[in-house]
Amino acid sequence: QSALTQPPSASGSPGQSVTISCTGTSSDVGSSNYVSWYQQHPGKAPKLMIYEVRKRPSGVPDRFSGSKSGNTASLTVSGLQAEDEADYYCSSYAGSNNLMFGGGTKLTVL
Amino acid sequence: QVQLQESGPGLVKPSETLSLTCTVSGYSISNGYYWGWVRQPPGKGLEWIGSIYYSGSTYYNPSLKSRVSISVDTSRNQFSLTLTSLTAADTAVYYCSRGGSTPMVVVYWGQGTLVTVSS
Repeated sequence: QSALTQPPSASGSPGQSVTISCTGTSSDVGSSNYVSWYQQHPGKAPKLMIYEVRKRPSGVPDRFSGSKSGNTASLTVSGLQAEDEADYYCSSYAGSNNLMFGGGTKLTVL
Repeated sequence: QVQLQESGPGLVKPSETLSLTCTVSGYSISNGYYWGWVRQPPGKGLEWIGSIYYSGSTYYNPSLKSRVSISVDTSRNQFSLTLTSLTAADTAVYYCSRGGSTPMVVVYWGQGTLVTVSS
């Protein structure tokens, strides 16, 4: 099985919006409502930011939003802030009780 | 607030077996949810290892299934990972985790423990 495809890097200036994509297949992202996004700062454990495509856990700013179209899920960060600089990973149910992660995207706030 | 803490050896020899334990505080495993493991090789991405329901049902990454076992001890509020036939490719930070009503999301993460496979 191959990891979900994410761009290695993304960037934006403070206050701008940036969107990170996560591309899979019709067997995972395309057919699953269990798409999640995680934020990971250097040396820290990941943190759940979005689950079930577009739901935000309590405490996650509404600047973070998720969506999905076909086999591609997206995470949009609006009103970029310095603390948003981190690695972001998507995940999706991949069938047969299997969970798959994307390769990760390093978000840089310019 | 649920907290998870991994424990186990930091260095294991090739071909040997890794055993890690996750101690849960702030929540009783017996009350439900899925509990599992995710690993991250140094400088690389995340890899799901598997999950267990509090009742004992298990789900494993197909690529690791032949070498992995996850068990739960509700009396100690712990769950454990066993990974056999280790190679250098198994060197990673191992995170224990709590899922939701499905094992397909990781809601809470432990701080992680680095396991190095080397002779």
